[in-house]
Amino acid sequence: AQSVTQLGSHVSVSEGALVLLRCNYSSSVPPYLFWYVQYPNQGLQLLLKYTTGATLVKGINGFEAEFKKSETSFHLTKPSAHMSDAAEYFCAVSSSGSARQLTFGSGTQLTVLP
Amino acid sequence: DSGVTQTPKHLITATGQRVTLRCSPRSGDLSVYWYQQSLDQGLQFLIHYYNGEERAKGNILERFSAQQFPDLHSELNLSSLELGDSALYFCASSVGQGDYYGYTFGSGTRLTVV
Repeated sequence: AQSVTQLGSHVSVSEGALVLLRCNYSSSVPPYLFWYVQYPNQGLQLLLKYTTGATLVKGINGFEAEFKKSETSFHLTKPSAHMSDAAEYFCAVSSSGSARQLTFGSGTQLTVLP
Repeated sequence: DSGVTQTPKHLITATGQRVTLRCSPRSGDLSVYWYQQSLDQGLQFLIHYYNGEERAKGNILERFSAQQFPDLHSELNLSSLELGDSALYFCASSVGQGDYYGYTFGSGTRLTVV
């Protein structure tokens, strides 16, 4: 079984400040990990993913995430927040194997303050 | 435009009724996934079809059913609707069986049961 925990349902940062959204996962086999962003009244858009190889992955809009197996974490970061980053962010895990569907975390609402 | 088309965008119906939600996957994608998003349950996986065949079921109620047609579009049928079925229903598609490539989401159908 696989699961995802996102710490903090709401995160507020000032424009220009570091964005850090936390994600921890549980998986019995090597995971594939994803971050998605959802803007109001829209579907989810893939930000970045980790499957194999380099543990630091870069995504769109300046976001990046690092897979840390020892900590079972996949935290999302961005050095400098922009007003347009305000959205809900979802971490998701898929375990290679028969259970191929993505399991999503409960989401983190990011607010960017001027 | 993600390439995944969901219709209708909004649906208001009465309790006890039946509705059909439609999804056209991105061109070339063989997998279709249905998710339900509600405030209290978050993003819940319902069902996965690959090239016309059901591949996995999640937390899908017996009152709900789905199918994927030869042209790869999919329909989600919800019957005997209850107030608690009010939610956003997302369809997502992927090239293969999803876990490596991630999903492409549609913009969703917002169902309101009154």
